[in-house]
Amino acid sequence: DIQMTQSPSSLSASVGDRVTITCRASQSIRTYLNWYQQMPGKAPKLLIYAASTLQSGVPSRFSGSGSGTDFTLTVSSLQPEDFATYFCQQSYYSPWTFGQGTKVEIK
Amino acid sequence: EVQLLESGGGLVQPGGSLRLSCAASGITLSENVMSWVRQAPGKGPEWVSTISGDNTYYAGSVKGRFTISRDNSKNTMFLQMGSLRAEDMAVYYCAKASAGTLGYFDLWGRGTLVPVSS
Repeated sequence: DIQMTQSPSSLSASVGDRVTITCRASQSIRTYLNWYQQMPGKAPKLLIYAASTLQSGVPSRFSGSGSGTDFTLTVSSLQPEDFATYFCQQSYYSPWTFGQGTKVEIK
Repeated sequence: EVQLLESGGGLVQPGGSLRLSCAASGITLSENVMSWVRQAPGKGPEWVSTISGDNTYYAGSVKGRFTISRDNSKNTMFLQMGSLRAEDMAVYYCAKASAGTLGYFDLWGRGTLVPVSS
């Protein structure tokens, strides 16, 4: 199975900060990389698919980049509603696999 | 409103069985690629199973123990789980996968909790 490794596992940031989360695949997945946001007790919500395509309705402060094995999710200016856990997911190889998550907390 | 609603979760003993349901509104399950995804406490999500048309797919960890199915007349998807183990304990979500090959989940239910304990 493809292993997805996120870093950091958690971070503390302030409203207005630029935040970057990294996801690394154990082998090349081209751009078959998706990002989700999860609030406590809620289901994951799709933010970005195909590495850099913003899902409809997602604010433009979210962006994604990367290809091959290294990917990033960036929040250009963190808002109060962005404090959550973020997961990456690869969809190039079966079984589709997720990262372990990055928790973004308020500093 | 497009919505997926899971039900059927609850405490089950190791070795036991349980059937989860996912009722859909606003979308037709038979026209979509539908999956079950689970999430153990404090862990990342884990893909469990997918049904696409008449084809079914399973994660290695559940193959032979879980069965995914669909009742088109009720617009409902099921996950029959058997020989349950402690490591199957999780919140189980039904999720709609994207059409084509991109493989992202763009609609999720609220989830149903399956504790496995004696």
